Amino acid sequence: AQSVAQPEDQVNVAEGNPLTVKCTYSVSGNPYLFWYVQYPNRGLQFLLKYITGDNLVKGSYGFEAEFNKSQTSFHLKKPSALVSDSALYFCAVRDTTNAGKSTFGDGTTLTVKP
Amino acid sequence: EAGVAQSPRYKIIEKRQSVAFWCNPISGHATLYWYQQILGQGPKLLIQFQNNGVVDDSQLPKDRFSAERLKGVDSTLKIQPAKLEDSAVYLCASSLIQTGTDTQYFGPGTRLTVL
Repeated sequence: AQSVAQPEDQVNVAEGNPLTVKCTYSVSGNPYLFWYVQYPNRGLQFLLKYITGDNLVKGSYGFEAEFNKSQTSFHLKKPSALVSDSALYFCAVRDTTNAGKSTFGDGTTLTVKP
Repeated sequence: EAGVAQSPRYKIIEKRQSVAFWCNPISGHATLYWYQQILGQGPKLLIQFQNNGVVDDSQLPKDRFSAERLKGVDSTLKIQPAKLEDSAVYLCASSLIQTGTDTQYFGPGTRLTVL
């Protein structure tokens, strides 16, 4: 069975500093990995995904994520955080069979302070 | 392009009552998903449709939850009777195809409170 772990419930950073939100996964076979962001009272918004190829994936709003197969990790990063990046972030892994079933982590709340 | 639409946005009911949620996916999206998101947790897949057929409903509590996707477009999710532990946000998502590589697009969700 596939699973996702987001080891930090909360991440606090100062505006302008780099940020990292951690994600590790467990799957059989090759992983399809996703990051979503959720603002209050709104659904999840897609940020980026890793399917194959370059281990560094670039996405929306200046975010990027690094796939590390040996460490089974897919950490979300941004070189310079903005206050508006404050939100709830979810990592997800999708089944590589045709059904593509998604398993989500429990989320990490990012707070960027001015 | 219009996003995934859901209604109602909020619903408060008493336990043992019934409730229904509606979802309209992005036009042309063949795959539709219903998720349950309990406070403090990530979304959990309840049911996945490919057109109007069920692909995965392994985590749907079938004694009280039902879902349908008539004509392969809109979908409704029903709970009957509701329990306190059903209090959650119910998210609908759609994707163009159902492979694991495809991106899911989420609606705003319906927040259900069961008293």
